[in-house]
Amino acid sequence: DAGVIQSPRHEVTEMGQEVTLRCKPISGHDYLFWYRQTMMRGLELLIYFNNNVPIDDSGMPEDRFSAKMPNASFSTLKIQPSEPRDSAVYFCASSAVGGSYEQYFGPGTRLTVT
Amino acid sequence: SQKIEQNSEALNIQEGKTATLTCNYTNYSPAYLQWYRQDPGRGPVFLLLIRENEKEKRKERLKVTFDTTLKQSLFHITASQPADSATYLCARKTTGGGNKLTFGTGTQLKVEL
Repeated sequence: DAGVIQSPRHEVTEMGQEVTLRCKPISGHDYLFWYRQTMMRGLELLIYFNNNVPIDDSGMPEDRFSAKMPNASFSTLKIQPSEPRDSAVYFCASSAVGGSYEQYFGPGTRLTVT
Repeated sequence: SQKIEQNSEALNIQEGKTATLTCNYTNYSPAYLQWYRQDPGRGPVFLLLIRENEKEKRKERLKVTFDTTLKQSLFHITASQPADSATYLCARKTTGGGNKLTFGTGTQLKVEL
């Protein structure tokens, strides 16, 4: 398996623009997580899905953020409108039920909002 | 709240020595703790899981302990190598079902020749 795939790897946009980040989890994994990482706040969970259903979105900073998972192999995180304080690295991770509960992370998307 | 804290100061050690990283948590003991490694520009990579009822877990040169009295986990790398240089993240399982984790901010380890 190719692991968790994220696109784009880098995104530079202007304040007010819409940004869409994409994730393809590992095939067969039941859980999908979206995280944001900054130097100040570390790795923060934004939202997670189980079997394509959003379970906990308490980490989503505000209504400008939304996430969807239309099927088991694809998820998006959208920011509309984007602001400079949204600049961060966004990671997608997936995991399976049971075992070591380990989460497999993608390479991340580095977002810069100017 | 379910906080988890790691020493934010970088740890510099000499090659061949044992590196020890600390992870402290608040409130009740989590069902398990996990340790991840993160290299610059990459996503975290899972290393080890230790459950609440386990005192110690080993994997090759890695050892993790879980002390529910001290509310602390220690992560050891024996015979450290420059290739072990990275940031190490501790994570606790949060309450409720699912695999939701709360991560610490990580400790940067640098192994020098």
